[in-house]
Amino acid sequence: GESVGLHLPTLSVQEGDNSIINCAYSNSASDYFIWYKQESGKGPQFIIDIRSNMDKRQGQRVTVLLNKTVKHLSLQIAATQPGDSAVYFCAETPNSGGYQKVTFGTGTKLQVIP
Amino acid sequence: GAVVSQHPSRVICKSGTSVKIECRSLDFQATTMFWYRQFPKQSLMLMATSNEGSKATYEQGVEKDKFLINHASLTLSTLTVTSAHPEDSSFYICSAADRGGTGELFFGEGSRLTVL
Repeated sequence: GESVGLHLPTLSVQEGDNSIINCAYSNSASDYFIWYKQESGKGPQFIIDIRSNMDKRQGQRVTVLLNKTVKHLSLQIAATQPGDSAVYFCAETPNSGGYQKVTFGTGTKLQVIP
Repeated sequence: GAVVSQHPSRVICKSGTSVKIECRSLDFQATTMFWYRQFPKQSLMLMATSNEGSKATYEQGVEKDKFLINHASLTLSTLTVTSAHPEDSSFYICSAADRGGTGELFFGEGSRLTVL
């Protein structure tokens, strides 16, 4: 059910600065991790993914770091832009086959200050 | 890229009525689709896995008789909220995996249900 008074953690970043969004996961059996961006009133958009046999993966302006020892995932956004303002979710799945259900983390709201 | 379409995007209904939400994969076939529910300022919670041609698999705590899922074809899954009540008001999101591609999940734009 719905939790009253629950608020997403918020990260405020100046335009042009780098953003780092962190995520802790609990399932040590997870093999595949994904970062999604969700704008207000829309569905999640895929940003970048990483498999458990990697510790870093880079995309365009984004980098994902995975530390399986401490079950920690981070998303780094370079030169943050106003269009990056959204809620970011990390997600995990048992494997990278795509047909398995994806479990979402709690989310972080990124606010970019112009 | 692959597109998943949901309809309606917004729906308002009276308490006690039933509402059907459609999820379509527009340019690929999806053996499996997933339905999520998202309350304000919260994360997406998986409700059920919709399997084409067979019964849906529901997550713990989700009433299967309350949330009816039908996956009659490889491009369409429907979620029916039966006898809706105000506490069912939420953002419902579906996702589908491209069975012929990489298996990447594609998400719909969501359907906002408001029950008066």
